[in-house]
Amino acid sequence: GESVGLHLPTLSVQEGDNSIINCAYSNSASDYFIWYKQESGKGPQFIIDIRSNMDKRQGQRVTVLLNKTVKHLSLQIAATQPGDSAVYFCAENYNTDKLIFGTGTRLQVFP
Amino acid sequence: DTGVSQDPRHKITKRGQNVTFRCDPISEHNRLYWYRQTLGQGPEFLTYFQNEAQLEKSRLLSDRFSAERPKGSFSTLEIQRTEQGDSAMYLCASSLADSLTQTQYFGPGTRLLVL
Repeated sequence: GESVGLHLPTLSVQEGDNSIINCAYSNSASDYFIWYKQESGKGPQFIIDIRSNMDKRQGQRVTVLLNKTVKHLSLQIAATQPGDSAVYFCAENYNTDKLIFGTGTRLQVFP
Repeated sequence: DTGVSQDPRHKITKRGQNVTFRCDPISEHNRLYWYRQTLGQGPEFLTYFQNEAQLEKSRLLSDRFSAERPKGSFSTLEIQRTEQGDSAMYLCASSLADSLTQTQYFGPGTRLLVL
């Protein structure tokens, strides 16, 4: 279903390392995917998106990979910085405009 | 700053009271969305508008909830007879509906606490 757990998975990385955050999406017909970053007490902030006709897209320090065969999405952050610490959500969209959000992952960056 | 804005940012109310939240989208965006987010979870879709027309409502949106976008610009979300279970962050997002992009940009949210 669309529910997510109460306990967020956590990824801890050292400053300067690369981070990889994974997401499994639910609908094989979804054709648009977005990654959002959410800091405590704030709304989700757009990071990068990808359409289903692509399998990779790069932005500034971020790369999104899409594997439609296994319904998997990943976000790679290069040279992770303390300011990258937040909860990251993937979201999918199919045929309507509502976004379905996945389970968030908390990224903790330590010096 | 021309991003999505929401007002108020925080609201504390007693059970049974009515509350109304406002969202101002990015000015050229014709689509406006409402989501609800509880602690530890991702946002859940409530409803969305294209211009002034409300096109979809989630089954999460009980009859105590009503949303309007009368002039196709700002939107209001009203909750009548609030319950403790309504406590959550209410998020608004907007997008420009065209064939090239579907990106939804979120506002800062209104955090509601029902006592």
